[in-house]
Amino acid sequence: SQTIHQWPATLVQPVGSPLSLECTVEGTSNPNLYWYRQAAGRGLQLLFYSVGIGQISSEVPQNLSASRPQDRQFILSSKKLLLSDSGFYLCAWTLGTVNSPLHFGNGTRLTVT
Amino acid sequence: DQQVKQNSPSLSVQEGRISILNCDYTNSMFDYFLWYKKYPAEGPTFLISISSIKDKNEDGRFTVFLNKSAKHLSLHIVPSQPGDSAVYFCAASSSYSGAGSYQLTFGKGTKLSVIP
Repeated sequence: SQTIHQWPATLVQPVGSPLSLECTVEGTSNPNLYWYRQAAGRGLQLLFYSVGIGQISSEVPQNLSASRPQDRQFILSSKKLLLSDSGFYLCAWTLGTVNSPLHFGNGTRLTVT
Repeated sequence: DQQVKQNSPSLSVQEGRISILNCDYTNSMFDYFLWYKKYPAEGPTFLISISSIKDKNEDGRFTVFLNKSAKHLSLHIVPSQPGDSAVYFCAASSSYSGAGSYQLTFGKGTKLSVIP
């Protein structure tokens, strides 16, 4: 069966510091991978998605970036965090077919101070 | 522009009664709809989905109804249980976007509280 791992679970970082969140998927090959953010009082906002190694599509312009160095690894990064980057970050995967549900990791609670 | 709307931020229901969560969408290209359940500090869990070729899909205590002409869907939970207390997200996607850019658009969620 497929599993998705996301870490760390919680993170407190000062403004201006770098960020690296990692996500890995097991039990499937060539998944579509996604990064979503849930900010306070808002829904789930798609940040990035990837359909293959090295392929990244950005949905929201911001100071975050994503990379997919391996088939089942997805990384969310920032060189300098802003206060507005605080939120709940979720990695998700799906089979590379339409009409298939997304399966989410347990998320990372990021607090920028 | 919010393409998927959940207008009720919260809902309280007595245990054993029916919970009805509503969702509206504006994008006519959406043809696949999903409901997710989310507990605090956890990722959303897929509950049930429905394709636009159907108007109803049932899975145990959960039933999703789709009214395409009204661009409205609802999730019914019968009977409601205290363990159902969570935030429920409605999501939608379009098969016209193709597998290469397949993504879900989510509503803001409705917090359901089932009172024992």
